[in-house]
Amino acid sequence: DADVTQTPRNRITKTGKRIMLECSQTKGHDRMYWYRQDPGLGLRLIYYSFDVKDINKGEISDGYSVSRQAQAKFSLSLESAIPNQTALYFCATSDLGLRYEQFFGPGTRLTVL
Amino acid sequence: ILNVEQSPQSLHVQEGDSTNFTCSFPSSNFYALHWYRWETAKSPEALFVMTLNGDEKKKGRISATLNTKEGYSYLYIKGSQPEDSATYLCAQGNNNDMRFGAGTRLTVKP
Repeated sequence: DADVTQTPRNRITKTGKRIMLECSQTKGHDRMYWYRQDPGLGLRLIYYSFDVKDINKGEISDGYSVSRQAQAKFSLSLESAIPNQTALYFCATSDLGLRYEQFFGPGTRLTVL
Repeated sequence: ILNVEQSPQSLHVQEGDSTNFTCSFPSSNFYALHWYRWETAKSPEALFVMTLNGDEKKKGRISATLNTKEGYSYLYIKGSQPEDSATYLCAQGNNNDMRFGAGTRLTVKP
């Protein structure tokens, strides 16, 4: 079984809808991250969490919110989706800090019409 | 952290060729440099994490070097194979942020 899972894997939604992307991990890592990837751009950090009580904004947090329900679960929400949020979204985990490799989930491809 | 730049954007080589790509990053406030390999329809997978100036890491035919003073890292692939075809991402981390380059897309022709 995969160590980092994401649901759904693909989602098509309409402008203005609320949508939640979920991430679960079995690696026992405290640190979890949400990224988005757009063609021609690198992965960009949306939010990250160092433990259940810790939430931090990344480079591009506007229009997104997150919830760390447990050590193993980190959800990303789009309160009112817009077309320029169409992207590939990755969840990742790491042990301790950014001097340790990150483990990525399979990605969620989101299309906002 | 300012932009992380990777060059070239894409590269086509023949099987057996050796190749290398560059990752440039702001040298101030350096914390860590990551390399990831990303195959189409899969998740990025870590190759190396380097933290010290002069670090050199090797995994099979792939190796990487790091120069934190001038702000660059090189990734080398010796004797490229078709299965090396992927996008190679580098990322600079500090304690609170992680910035990725756009990647170098490598295609190895049999």
